[in-house]
Amino acid sequence: GAGVSQSPRYKVAKRGQDVALRCDPISGHVSLFWYQQALGQGPEFLTYFQNEAQLDKSGLPSDRFFAERPEGSVSTLKIQRTQQEDSAVYLCASSLIGGPSTDTQYFGPGTRLTVL
Amino acid sequence: GENVEQHPSTLSVQEGDSAVIKCTYSDSASNYFPWYKQELGKGPQLIIDIRSNVGEKKDQRIAVTLNKTAKHFSLHITETQPEDSAVYFCAASKGSYGKLTFGQGTILTVHP
Repeated sequence: GAGVSQSPRYKVAKRGQDVALRCDPISGHVSLFWYQQALGQGPEFLTYFQNEAQLDKSGLPSDRFFAERPEGSVSTLKIQRTQQEDSAVYLCASSLIGGPSTDTQYFGPGTRLTVL
Repeated sequence: GENVEQHPSTLSVQEGDSAVIKCTYSDSASNYFPWYKQELGKGPQLIIDIRSNVGEKKDQRIAVTLNKTAKHFSLHITETQPEDSAVYFCAASKGSYGKLTFGQGTILTVHP
């Protein structure tokens, strides 16, 4: 079946531009996560959605980062006024169940953002 | 918060040899420990996981062991093959909802 998809796969932005990154989770998955992966590092948690509710945004680096999942399926991560330090791969993951659980997270291929 | 340390950062083995990657975690409340394989240009793919109520789990050539007392867990790959070459990440979670904290990764190279 279809896995997690992300678009675009690559994005180049000039410093100061706004960008929007899209995640299509596996159909029916309740939980959705965004992670940021710097070059040569492990992914770092950004934010978590259970259906349309954003239950944890503690990992967002600054108020320039905003995420939404308005209908409980597709999610968008928006970065305003991009800075060079925002350059990274942004990974989306989804899991079937929410709430107090440790269900398998399935990752998308990521969006590689380069800020010039 | 949780901190996960992973060693070694690079590992080079000959085809057919075994490979072992070790991780330690800081939060004793963590109860779920997955291992992911990431190939170039792709997202992480789960290869095996273990929960805190068991000490060992095997899946063909791959095994994971967990020592809760010492707060460390390890990935063992036997009979390595060139296609095992990739970056491997350990992670830990104590979920109310499964947020993962990852190690820094190990670049595994299997030479034919």
